[in-house]
Amino acid sequence: DTGVSQNPRHKITKRGQNVTFRCDPISEHNRLYWYRQTLGQGPEFLTYFQNEAQLEKSRLLSDRFSAERPKGSFSTLEIQRTEQGDSAMYLCASSSSSLPNYGYTFGSGTRLTVV
Amino acid sequence: AQKITQTQPGMFVQEKEAVTLDCTYDTSDPSYGLFWYKQPSSGEMIFLIYQGSYDQQNATEGRYSLNFQKARKSANLVISASQLGDSAMYFCAMREGQGGGADGLTFGKGTHLIIQP
Repeated sequence: DTGVSQNPRHKITKRGQNVTFRCDPISEHNRLYWYRQTLGQGPEFLTYFQNEAQLEKSRLLSDRFSAERPKGSFSTLEIQRTEQGDSAMYLCASSSSSLPNYGYTFGSGTRLTVV
Repeated sequence: AQKITQTQPGMFVQEKEAVTLDCTYDTSDPSYGLFWYKQPSSGEMIFLIYQGSYDQQNATEGRYSLNFQKARKSANLVISASQLGDSAMYFCAMREGQGGGADGLTFGKGTHLIIQP
């Protein structure tokens, strides 16, 4: 297992288009998180899955955002009708509920640029 | 009020010197965890060290140690014998609760550390 994998690494899209990102967590990890990081800021929590269940959504996650984790393995984050304000790094992380104190392994992120 | 405050936007340190990165936090939950992450220019967040609110001793991991002062609500990261490869953004983060439920991390704004030869 090589860690948390995110694809694509970079995405440039026109305003109004839909985009989808994928995250493959560490296989033994049952928890998966999405964060958004804008320039000069720390990551902000978006949503969290335990297995296939989406247990928490931040107020940052507008109705244009949807996340799924259909079989409790990989996850997708879709942004519909993208806006320039959506430009950010989208980070995925995974963890194991049996090891809560050892965090959160992050992927390298998907950098989204909306033009 | 911000839950995690990092007051040093940037720091320059000479190689081989020790460096302390400041972090203060705010929570009313008696159970919480504090984390430090390193983010190099590649973007990946690298876990460095963890301190639980009930831990009696300060956490240490190799060259990293966490100076946990619970009464002052501070959790400063100390890097001993800094190396050029330590140059990166450093983020302090907190998880409230015992980790059994929804437990997203709250991050500070980070400190940009530059190690000079």
